[in-house]
Amino acid sequence: ETGVTQSPTHLIKTRGQQVTLRCSSQSGHNTVSWYQQALGQGPQFIFQYYREEENGRGNFPPRFSGLQFPNYSSELNVNALELDDSALYLCASSLGVTGELFFGEGSRLTVL
Amino acid sequence: QKEVEQNSGPLSVPEGAIASLNCTYSDRGSQSFFWYRQYSGKSPELIMSIYSNGDKEDGRFTAQLNKASQYVSLLIRDSQPSDSATYLCAVFTRNRDDKIIFGKGTRLHILP
Repeated sequence: ETGVTQSPTHLIKTRGQQVTLRCSSQSGHNTVSWYQQALGQGPQFIFQYYREEENGRGNFPPRFSGLQFPNYSSELNVNALELDDSALYLCASSLGVTGELFFGEGSRLTVL
Repeated sequence: QKEVEQNSGPLSVPEGAIASLNCTYSDRGSQSFFWYRQYSGKSPELIMSIYSNGDKEDGRFTAQLNKASQYVSLLIRDSQPSDSATYLCAVFTRNRDDKIIFGKGTRLHILP
């Protein structure tokens, strides 16, 4: 059984640029959610995709957008990067819409 | 009022003692509740889920839920140094939008 994988693991961008983060869900899981975790904070819910549809969103501006593909993998896109976007971005997959989440190792984004 | 609140700690507990971690939540409509453990530099890992009032035991871990008081707790018996981590409380709410809200986490330090 393959776990949740994320890429890239680390990346550095400059303010105003755009970034795409990728996530492959655990085998058999059809739901993916994304979280932003700043240092010393809990994960902040960005959005969730179930069967390719967004079905939940946290308090993040529209420049945070996403996709889920037919194989249930997912992308998180962030436009017009700001310094405060520097964080660990976590992807989690689950079987259905539930709080029982399996996390990937995260993508650490630094915005300069 | 924050949606999910936890004492950030650090909570220091002697090895072999009981560690007690607490969490309160604001949305009375929340349906399910979870505890995640996060080691430094790692992603969160699900350790307990609880869906109805009362206690749920799994090995050395006991989760307790009181929906009337909007309170969730996690007890760790016979604490081990390997239990030293940040413990995140997560609350799942299913309304028009599904959302999973994490607390900031409590840092637990088990003293050898």
